[in-house]
Amino acid sequence: DGGITQSPKYLFRKEGQNVTLSCEQNLNHDAMYWYRQDPGQGLRLIYYSQIVNDFQKGDIAEGYSVSREKKESFPLTVTSAQKNPTAFYLCASRGVGGEQFFGPGTRLTVL
Amino acid sequence: KNQVEQSPQSLIILEGKNCTLQCNYTVSPFSNLRWYKQDTGRGPVSLTIMTFSENTKSNGRYTATLDADTKQSSLHITASQLSDSASYICVVSSDYGGATNKLIFGTGTLLAVQP
Repeated sequence: DGGITQSPKYLFRKEGQNVTLSCEQNLNHDAMYWYRQDPGQGLRLIYYSQIVNDFQKGDIAEGYSVSREKKESFPLTVTSAQKNPTAFYLCASRGVGGEQFFGPGTRLTVL
Repeated sequence: KNQVEQSPQSLIILEGKNCTLQCNYTVSPFSNLRWYKQDTGRGPVSLTIMTFSENTKSNGRYTATLDADTKQSSLHITASQLSDSASYICVVSSDYGGATNKLIFGTGTLLAVQP
């Protein structure tokens, strides 16, 4: 069963905490992406990775960090420097032809 | 500035009726346009993709059109079902297969189908 998985589905963070969102894919895709979705706004790109051990900042990278140690995995850390982290986070990977396939998302709430 | 605008923002229709969602874009260079369906609390799922040379594409009850001259696209849903209730997102790509794959997302149209 191929696809993209994200965990956890819901995540609660206290002020000043770092939290890590997991994203795994078994589609053998090289490129992976993290987006943030807020009500009334289009998806915004946080970070992307074209290949293992390489990643680039997107439009709203401040307060976030990523790693790409394995092709299958692209975890996102929301640091305490992110002032407004409450949002729905979507991970995607890019297949042949450029289509991006999205995971089910993680909803992060700051308490 | 690259932008994708969708209308209406939200729409309520009765089950069995048809509806049309609109997407206007100012993206250059243009590569392709996709429509995604996003159920509440889930990730978007691709419905259709159209390149510059295509002006219509169907996927079951979903039919997308593209007018590259006026930079407009529409998504027509025929004989709506309750399961069509979702947000529909128009996404324009400005790359030509390059790894950066710059996507510009619309804010979506929230469709509610009522029995």
